[in-house]
Amino acid sequence: DVKVTQSSRYLVKRTGEKVFLECVQDMDHENMFWYRQDPGLGLRLIYFSYDVKMKEKGDIPEGYSVSREKKERFSLILESASTNQTSMYLCASSRPGLAEADTQYFGPGTRLTVL
Amino acid sequence: AQSVTQLDSQVPVFEEAPVELRCNYSSSVSVYLFWYVQYPNQGLQLLLKYLSGSTLVKGINGFEAEFNKSQTSFHLRKPSVHISDTAEYFCAVSKAAGNKLTFGGGTRVLVKP
Repeated sequence: DVKVTQSSRYLVKRTGEKVFLECVQDMDHENMFWYRQDPGLGLRLIYFSYDVKMKEKGDIPEGYSVSREKKERFSLILESASTNQTSMYLCASSRPGLAEADTQYFGPGTRLTVL
Repeated sequence: AQSVTQLDSQVPVFEEAPVELRCNYSSSVSVYLFWYVQYPNQGLQLLLKYLSGSTLVKGINGFEAEFNKSQTSFHLRKPSVHISDTAEYFCAVSKAAGNKLTFGGGTRVLVKP
């Protein structure tokens, strides 16, 4: 059974703190993604990675960075958390599919509140 | 760049009634189309996808969707809903030969007894 896990379901941080969100997949997928989900806006891509140590900016990368040191783990970093980063964060993974877009498998999400 | 519009933010429906969730997209290139479902307090899971071939796509849990290229639509339907179909549904598009998805704003379906 495929599995994507995220380190926390709920997280509360203070403005200015450095925040790490961790995602692990056990499917040996090359691609990994970080999204944020906000009501009415759907999911918006923050960053994605198509290989270890490789990353590309998504649609809303400002205020975020990522790290992929191992194939199974993809970390999202908020260098200095701000209240407008309060959101649900979803991680996903997929096989590479240049010739055919493949299914993305999602973790359960981390609801981050920045006070 | 592509974009996705889900025309209804909320759809209330009675149990055993049919439901249709509307999705329109815009893109200057060929696309692949997806519907994902998010049950309460869970991540997203794939309902169905259109890559090529038959424009009528059948998915899990009795859902189906029809790709209409001329109208740039990919509406999702189910002939008879259950209480357990209460969830948020997301339409998404990717460029053919690409991996990144662009999502619509989501449609919340509330099935009433």
